[in-house]
Amino acid sequence: QVQLQQPGAELVKPGAPVKLSCKASGYTFTSYWMNWVKQRPGRGLEWIGRIDPSDSETHYNQKFKGKATLTVDESSSTAYMQLSSLTSEDSAVYYCASRYFAYWGQGTLVTVSA
Amino acid sequence: DIKMTQSPSSMYASLGERVTITCKASQDINSYLSWFQQKPGKSPKTLIYRANRLVDGVPSRFSGSGSGQDYSLTISSLEYEDMGIYYCLQYDEFPRTFGGGTKLEIK
Repeated sequence: QVQLQQPGAELVKPGAPVKLSCKASGYTFTSYWMNWVKQRPGRGLEWIGRIDPSDSETHYNQKFKGKATLTVDESSSTAYMQLSSLTSEDSAVYYCASRYFAYWGQGTLVTVSA
Repeated sequence: DIKMTQSPSSMYASLGERVTITCKASQDINSYLSWFQQKPGKSPKTLIYRANRLVDGVPSRFSGSGSGQDYSLTISSLEYEDMGIYYCLQYDEFPRTFGGGTKLEIK
C-alpha cells in the first residue's frame, strides 16, 4: 500500500539547519508532485512548496523562500526538505503529501531548542 | 495570495445532525478545492477533491458542493467518529492556501 515515511522527531539547536526526509513507497514516485506542509502546535496548515520528482521543478510559497529547500533522490524514492537558520518559529510538525494531497506522511515534529 | 475564510471556526453538533462547514475564497478558484479531516496527533485525511468528488473509502454521508468563491462540506448525519478539525484547501493558484479550520465537537 502507499506509504510516505517520515522520521517522528528532530531536535535542533537555534541557528542550525535540519534536513527532513519523506520516503515514498507503493506508487511510482515520479508520477506525482510532493508537497510539504507546516503545522505549528494548535495552529492550522501552511503550504511550504512542492517539487516534481521527475525533474526537480519546484514551486515555493514566497513566505518560505530562503527558509526551505526542496530536493529529491529518485533512486531511493525520497523527498527532502532542508530548513535553514532555525528559530523557535520553525518548531512545528512538517508533513509531506503527494498525489494532490491524497497521500500524507505521518509528519516530523521539529523542536528548536538549545 | 488567495485567502480562504472558513466558518464556523468551531461548533458543537448532536449525533445524527446534519452539519455544514463553509469556505469562501477571496477570488474564483474554479472548483479546485479539497476538504480534509484531521484528528488529534494524526495527519490530515482527504475527504473531497475538486469541490465535490468523494475520495474512495470515505463514507457517503460526506459531500462537497460549491463553485466560484463559495464552497461547503456537508455531513448528512453526524457520527461520533466525525469529531475532528476540518480544513479546506484551494489549489487553483500558488501559493496553495488552507482555510483556518473548523473544530467539530459532539454535543
